[in-house]
Amino acid sequence: EAGVAQSPRYKIIEKRQSVAFWCNPISGHATLYWYQQILGQGPKLLIQFQNNGVVDDSQLPKDRFSAERLKGVDSTLKIQPAKLEDSAVYLCASSSLRGYSGNTIYFGEGSWLTVV
Amino acid sequence: QKEVEQDPGPLSVPEGAIVSLNCTYSNSAFQYFMWYRQYSRKGPELLMYTYSSGNKEDGRFTAQVDKSSKYISLFIRDSQPSDSATYLCAMNRNQAGTALIFGKGTTLSVSS
Repeated sequence: EAGVAQSPRYKIIEKRQSVAFWCNPISGHATLYWYQQILGQGPKLLIQFQNNGVVDDSQLPKDRFSAERLKGVDSTLKIQPAKLEDSAVYLCASSSLRGYSGNTIYFGEGSWLTVV
Repeated sequence: QKEVEQDPGPLSVPEGAIVSLNCTYSNSAFQYFMWYRQYSRKGPELLMYTYSSGNKEDGRFTAQVDKSSKYISLFIRDSQPSDSATYLCAMNRNQAGTALIFGKGTTLSVSS
């Protein structure tokens, strides 16, 4: 079974530029998450989708971050304009609600962003 | 007070040692408790999960949850150099699909 795919793996941009990250979840997984992990910290939820609807975006800085999940499958996360403090790993994860037992959230390898 | 507290370490042990990793939490609504392992430049991978209080064992790994103390632990027996990684505790409420709340992670180094 293919895992959660993310691209690009690494990106370096200047502050005030824009960047977009792409995620393809595990096939059949209805729930998709974007987490931000700053160096030395645990992942923090940015946004959660259920199919193509937003379940939770309370911690998404909406003045600069946006995310969409078209057709309930792939998702993109965009940052515009980027700030220095956005330097982090952006982790995409997915889960299936069928027979949820608390152990069905799978992470991709992350997209590493450096803002200079 | 943060919802989940975890000592970031680093923790260094010799090969074969027993390792104890811990987290405390403040939200009594948490029902599912997980431990993720994260290797350098990789995404977190699920190691163990426990529902409510109790113990769970899987090979060299044992997870314990004490809801009365709001305290969870992960024990690693006979630690190996390949166990060197960051260990993240995570938890969520009893609603299916609720997003995880993570600790900061503890960095473990096992020397041969």
